[in-house]
This record gives sequence, C-alpha cells and structure tokens, in this order.
Amino acid sequence: GAVVSQHPSWVICKSGTSVKIECRSLDFQATTMFWYRQFPKQSLMLMATSNEGSKATYEQGVEKDKFLINHASLTLSTLTVTSAHPEDSSFYICSAPRWDRGQMNTEAFFGQGTRLTVV
Amino acid sequence: AQSVTQLDSQVPVFEEAPVELRCNYSSSVSVYLFWYVQYPNQGLQLLLKYLSGSTLVKGINGFEAEFNKSQTSFHLRKPSVHISDTAEYFCAVSRQGDYKLSFGAGTTVTVRA
Repeated sequence: GAVVSQHPSWVICKSGTSVKIECRSLDFQATTMFWYRQFPKQSLMLMATSNEGSKATYEQGVEKDKFLINHASLTLSTLTVTSAHPEDSSFYICSAPRWDRGQMNTEAFFGQGTRLTVV
Repeated sequence: AQSVTQLDSQVPVFEEAPVELRCNYSSSVSVYLFWYVQYPNQGLQLLLKYLSGSTLVKGINGFEAEFNKSQTSFHLRKPSVHISDTAEYFCAVSRQGDYKLSFGAGTTVTVRA
C-alpha cells in the first residue's frame, strides 16, 4: 500500500529555535499534502494544504510566517516551525492523497507523526 | 463546512464483548466518511470508508460501519474486541472531491481482560 514517511518522529528543541519536519510519499507522487496538528487528548486540526510548486494554503487562525511550508518536489513537503515556543509543543501529522489512474484516490495516507516539545 | 460529533469520549469494554462507537456529522453537501484508528504516538490508520453504494461498510480488523443518511450517522461496530483494539478512534468527513478531513474529537477505547 501507499506509504507516507514523516521525519523526525520526535524532537525536543529550545525556545526560539526553528524545527523542520519532513513528509515524504515513498511510492507515489503527491501534488498535495496536508498538515495537521493534534493537541494532547484532542482531535486533529487541519493547519494547511501544501501544494507542489505553489504557495501553501493556510487555514484560518494559522500563522503562515510561523509555520513555513515548502513543497519543492512531488514527494516531499516540509513544515518548519519558526521561533518555536512552548505553546507550539504538539503532535504534527502530514497526509497525502494518492492519484490513481488520473483520479485522486479517495484516501489520504498519513505519516507517523512528529511529537514536538519546546523547552 | 462539515463537522463531526463523536458522542462518546471514552468507551471501556471487556475483551470479546461487542463495541459500538457513535459518530454523527453535518454537511450541506455530499460527503465521504471515514474511521481511523490511532495507536499511542503513531499516525492514523484507515479502518474503513464510505464513498457511495452499500451503506454497510466492512473494514480491517473485523470492524464495520453503517452509513445512515437520514440520521446523518456513521457508527462503527465490532462484534468481539481484543486487547489490541485499545486505541483512539476518529471519525472523519470530507466533501466529495476534496481531501481535507474534518475530524471528530475522538473516542478512546480501552479493552480489559
């Protein structure tokens, strides 16, 4: 089946530093990827849609200058949390829909997630 | 916009007993419906999905769900649970043709021997 790999699986960083999270589609090309955020004991909230070759689309209330998204190739999207603060500590998950025979598959495959802790 | 309500935040259940997780949704357009499972510190795994056709959908690990359009529900069931079914379960919805998912708050299933 389709696989989406996310790296790192966990990271601890100091307040004020930046952290980059990678999301790769391993056996298919993904022109679109999605980034979600999950707070402890809560559901996933969509942060942004990453589009290959163009700017990301952010959901309302998400700071685009703080959460930088780059989708430079058909298999890689990155989320950079800039100037991280403790309130940015969360579980970040990416997903990628797969195109099958010219039609987008109706399933989005998820990465393993990245647990970010800012101290 | 779509929204999802999972009616039970926690469901304790004994091993080999049946379980039902309730999910209701609201949307002004046609939707796809999904159930995902999340094990601790892991990503999401798709259990099953409803796109169209038969309202009874069978998924992996013995789970099934029934789409009820009149009640806007998509409840998940398993006739006999195992200890390994202990996890967080999320109901999700997307507009047809769109792949942004709106998730419910999740239901924690704890299976005890």
